[in-house]
Amino acid sequence: ETGVTQTPRHLVMGMTNKKSLKCEQHLGHNAMYWYKQSAKKPLELMFVYNFKEQTENNSVPSRFSPECPNSSHLFLHLHTLQPEDSALYLCASSRVEGVNTEAFFGQGTRLTVV
Amino acid sequence: GDSVTQMEGPVTLSEEAFLTINCTYTATGYPSLFWYVQYPGEGLQLLLKATKADDKGSNKGFEATYRKETTSFHLEKGSVQVSDSAVYFCALRAMAGGTSYGKLTFGQGTILTVHP
Repeated sequence: ETGVTQTPRHLVMGMTNKKSLKCEQHLGHNAMYWYKQSAKKPLELMFVYNFKEQTENNSVPSRFSPECPNSSHLFLHLHTLQPEDSALYLCASSRVEGVNTEAFFGQGTRLTVV
Repeated sequence: GDSVTQMEGPVTLSEEAFLTINCTYTATGYPSLFWYVQYPGEGLQLLLKATKADDKGSNKGFEATYRKETTSFHLEKGSVQVSDSAVYFCALRAMAGGTSYGKLTFGQGTILTVHP
């Protein structure tokens, strides 16, 4: 148990559906991240939020839309996805100042787009 | 930009063998270095870390030493177990003036399989 909770753990959606992934942490962290992990590919950083402000968007297609309403919650809104978007989506959180800046990860949402 | 390079896998060992997974990095500033482990069907877990040169991180029998002169952070374990089978990721966070840039850069991961 890392203190970062992602829901749902598994999601199957059609290409015309709209769904959202949720991430929650109560570790007092002030940065949150979305990563995509595909088979046989390195971890891809998608979005970074520092103090609820988006500080990084790694050229992610607009069909992925993040939302960070407060420092404890992070969402990833999905719409009109493609089959190649099927992957494990990992949320993480960390502090951004001081020495202990390691990231804590959730267990991920396994997304399948059909 | 920052980058992390890990040795190519997969790595296959017999139980009780010695493990080394190489990791080198390039970064601006003074990075903190991490090893994460991902067991099947799970997210990433922090295995160990080092925040300054010559620090040694250790946990569960794994060790890694922050070598600034060779920009390396190789992971070692003297005697692996079947339960160590997982994917291992080396990562860095660039630091400057006590503030991180908010980005964790990962290597590509190394799959380790340990046979009885």
